[in-house]
Amino acid sequence: DAKTTQPPSMDCAEGRAANLPCNHSTISGNEYVYWYRQIHSQGPQYIIHGLKNNETNEMASLIITEDRKSSTLILPHATLRDTAVYYCIVRLRVLTGANNLFFGTGTRLTVIP
Amino acid sequence: DVKVTQSSRYLVKRTGEKVFLECVQDMDHENMFWYRQDPGLGLRLIYFSYDVKMKEKGDIPEGYSVSREKKERFSLILESASTNQTSMYLCASSPSQREWYEQFFGPGTRLTVL
Repeated sequence: DAKTTQPPSMDCAEGRAANLPCNHSTISGNEYVYWYRQIHSQGPQYIIHGLKNNETNEMASLIITEDRKSSTLILPHATLRDTAVYYCIVRLRVLTGANNLFFGTGTRLTVIP
Repeated sequence: DVKVTQSSRYLVKRTGEKVFLECVQDMDHENMFWYRQDPGLGLRLIYFSYDVKMKEKGDIPEGYSVSREKKERFSLILESASTNQTSMYLCASSPSQREWYEQFFGPGTRLTVL
């Protein structure tokens, strides 16, 4: 699995867009990019995933560069409840056995009032 | 909604004790996972299971064992607890097909070994 690099921490003003970068320069052609977040005292929660096209859902948008070596998770209007640790994971699905995920240490996003 | 429950939120045990952490999921998921989370180290996978009675080692299986006798239940066992096993333990489950990547986590058990 490709290794990911994320900044350890970021701040964002409430109501502004939060842009969380992830570098995955060794990603292979079949590996997807997944994002999770972990709010304090809770387990991680799935946010979004993508392969090469940009993706959007009710929680966030995912922008993947054309060479796929990096991606950005965008929270369009950050709220105080978005304060959490955000994990970027690159993973290839295997067809046998369980597909586990490697979470790493993530980016601690603090939304400031 | 998927629900993953863990037997205790907080647990205090003594060195050398045998410790059982229980996890139950109610969505008929094939896959179940045990992680530990420590400051500065993120989540690390201990063991996972993709079927009843099947188990595979994760990144840090030493000092732990698991049991999956029923599909909905996955137990983590510390045969002889040590102080370096003081940690937050998180259980998760996921389906094996389609949305396999979406793991659902329990609230966690904070274990302190004295």
